Amino acid sequence: GEDVEQSLFLSVREGDSSVINCTYTDSSSTYLYWYKQEPGAGLQLLTYIFSNMDMKQDQRLTVLLNKKDKHLSLRIADTQTGDSAIYFCAERETGGFKTIFGAGTRLFVKA
Amino acid sequence: GAVVSQHPSRVICKSGTSVKIECRSLDFQATTMFWYRQFPKQSLMLMATSNEGSKATYEQGVEKDKFLINHASLTLSTLTVTSAHPEDSSFYICSAGQGYGYTFGSGTRLTVV
Repeated sequence: GEDVEQSLFLSVREGDSSVINCTYTDSSSTYLYWYKQEPGAGLQLLTYIFSNMDMKQDQRLTVLLNKKDKHLSLRIADTQTGDSAIYFCAERETGGFKTIFGAGTRLFVKA
Repeated sequence: GAVVSQHPSRVICKSGTSVKIECRSLDFQATTMFWYRQFPKQSLMLMATSNEGSKATYEQGVEKDKFLINHASLTLSTLTVTSAHPEDSSFYICSAGQGYGYTFGSGTRLTVV
């Protein structure tokens, strides 16, 4: 079945860039997502990329998609302490609505 | 954009009682909603897909008699945890959406004592 993997932990200094990586198995996924979850809260959709795109930029966020390697990354420029959260990578199954999540990467931003 | 409201945000119940969690799409109609469960420091586990006007589709290993799902209208799905036990304590999140992405509710922290 589909599987999404991501590193569990990342620590950066405030002002630096953060890069969170993710790999997935379903090569025919239609959409790939990045969600942010703050403590005790639900998930917030940060950004998404359609499978026929290689890159998407939205203010401080840059998503890169390498379909050949089934690799997705999220770059956060000028990381702030408010960016500290868990970031989930997710893929949407082909032809459906079910979304498969990675285990989440906990981002720590040091002042 | 799509807004999903989930209620209650926190609930504490006694072991053996039932708890109902509501998930509403506020500004759009949702024929499909999803219910997830999240254990501490873990990812979301899809429990079931709620389909308006028909039976929910449960993931393998999820007891349908324990986690009752009702999707009676295009804007409301409910998850009822029946005869709750301490091991049912968890964070439950619903999601619904349109087009490219799904919006999540704010989650319900269930504690069974």
